Amino acid sequence: GAGVSQSPSNKVTEKGKDVELRCDPISGHTALYWYRQSLGQGLEFLIYFQGNSAPDKSGLPSDRFSAERTGGSVSTLTIQRTQQEDSAVYLCASTETSGRVEQFFGPGTRLTVL
Amino acid sequence: GQQVMQIPQYQHVQEGEDFTTYCNSSTTLSNIQWYKQRPGGHPVFLIQLVKSGEVKKQKRLTFQFGEAKKNSSLHITATQTTDVGTYFCAQENFNKFYFGSGTKLNVKP
Repeated sequence: GAGVSQSPSNKVTEKGKDVELRCDPISGHTALYWYRQSLGQGLEFLIYFQGNSAPDKSGLPSDRFSAERTGGSVSTLTIQRTQQEDSAVYLCASTETSGRVEQFFGPGTRLTVL
Repeated sequence: GQQVMQIPQYQHVQEGEDFTTYCNSSTTLSNIQWYKQRPGGHPVFLIQLVKSGEVKKQKRLTFQFGEAKKNSSLHITATQTTDVGTYFCAQENFNKFYFGSGTKLNVKP
């Protein structure tokens, strides 16, 4: 089967606009994570979904960030009123279950806010 | 969130030299994972360590977990140009993963 896919691969937007980033996890993987990676930096945890449970949103940096996961599969990360400091690569990862530690990452979406 | 500190930030080696990156925590870790991210790529899982003093090997890579479970290391013997990339440690805590800042390895042929 295919790995984790993300779209778009690149997104350039103007400050103040909203953006939506999509993640398709590996089929059957119940846990899904979003991370942000600024240039040359490590991965910053944003949000975690496990099955149909309420997500762990503790890593979201502001209320401009939100995410949802429909049907326990595809996830969308939305950033409202984008700011230049939102520019980064947004990575999605999935694991088989919440107890498994091997995360499978997607290729990421590179977001540039002008 | 819990933090793991990783050093060095950068390492430049000549092909054939050894390389080590270290991950340190002020608190006891329940586990540690290591990931590799090639330039322009995404992180790829390498290994997980869970036991005190655990040592695991993957070909030229040796992973260690400290006796006190507060530090870990990744050692590469006789580096090759294919080893180029950034190596991250990460710890899992209540289903959330906290990544170190990474060590960027450059290997000169």
